[in-house]
Order: sequence, then structure tokens, then C-alpha cells
Amino acid sequence: ILNVEQSPQSLHVQEGDSTNFTCSFPSSNFYALHWYRWETAKSPEALFVMTLNGDEKKKGRISATLNTKEGYSYLYIKGSQPEDSATYLCAFIGQGAQKLVFGQGTRLTINP
Amino acid sequence: DTAVSQTPKYLVTQMGNDKSIKCEQNLGHDTMYWYKQDSKKFLKIMFSYNNKELIINETVPNRFSPKSPDKAHLNLHINSLELGDSAVYFCASSPVRAREKLFFGSGTQLSVL
Repeated sequence: ILNVEQSPQSLHVQEGDSTNFTCSFPSSNFYALHWYRWETAKSPEALFVMTLNGDEKKKGRISATLNTKEGYSYLYIKGSQPEDSATYLCAFIGQGAQKLVFGQGTRLTINP
Repeated sequence: DTAVSQTPKYLVTQMGNDKSIKCEQNLGHDTMYWYKQDSKKFLKIMFSYNNKELIINETVPNRFSPKSPDKAHLNLHINSLELGDSAVYFCASSPVRAREKLFFGSGTQLSVL
């Protein structure tokens, strides 16, 4: 059974603060890791697809890093804004696999 | 223009009925998926089609049957609906199986009474 785990499950952050959370995945047979942002009542929207160990991706105030050897990825949000409130999902796919396995998400709430 | 559209957004029906959820993508993608958001909020894959060919068929009751008339459409038929089928179902598509990012539809909230 493939386990993709995200921590924490929920997080409350003050507006303006920076934050980060973790996605853990199997360290063997890696192919790609996806990050998605999922706002309430909307559909998940892709942030990043990461494929190389040491990858760093950035989109505005959001960035992500990848360590495939130890099996984790961090998502960072700098200077949180209320519109960053969402559930952030990561998903792993292994070599030769055909499906993404999603974590349960980190639910982020930004307090004004 | 909506990239991945699924209808209906809400579906309320009686136990035992047969219903369908439709999905269409205008992105030219080869691969389409059906995901179910389970009670713990995980997204679990149900089916995937690549160019109208079934490539992923997870362990779901055979009351659930996907149909892909062409690569832009993937519909989900559910026969003899049960209370436990109540969930949010998401359609998605991607250019090359799951190697590139998925584009999701807005979800269909199914309530079986």
C-alpha cells in the first residue's frame, strides 16, 4: 500500500506570517510529485509538478522543494494572505505507475 | 471557456435509481479520470481512460461503469444507487496519463436518500 502523508492536517496562520507544511512519500521508485491548491467549493488546481531531486519551484509567494532520497516535499507560503486559505494536496506517482496517489491534504486558514 | 466541465453539479436521488454524471474536456488531453472524494476527504481514483481505452479500473462496485465515447468525454454511470454512494465525484484530465498536472472539473455532489 502506497502511503502519502501530509502534515499538519490543519493549520491556522496570521495574515502576513509565512508558513510551510510537509508531504511525505515513498523514497524508492520516484517519478513525480504534484502539489494542488483546493479552495472550498471549487476544484483542485495544480500548483507544481516536481520530478527531480533538489527541485525548487516558485509561483508568486508559494514555493516548493523536493527531496526524493528521503521522500519529502515542503510547500512554503510567504506573507500569507486571506486568499491563501485552502486545502493543499500533494500527490505521488512512482516509476511505471499509472495513477497519482493523493495525500489527505493540509487545510490552511489565514486569520485576518 | 471551462476546461473540464462536469454535469450536474448537484444530484439528489433515491436509493435504487440509476444515474449518470457527464464530463467533457476541451483541452485536447488524451487521458481522463474519475475520482471520488471519500468520507475522510481523500481523493481516490476510480477509473482512467487514455484515448478511449480503459487503463485504470480500481476496486469499485461493478454498479459503477465509465463510458468514453471519444477522448474528450468520460461519463460515469451508476446503477442501483446505494446510500454509501453519496460523495463528491470529480472528473479530471491530463495530457499524458498522470505525468503532467491534472485539470479537475468542479465536482458533482451526489446525495442518495
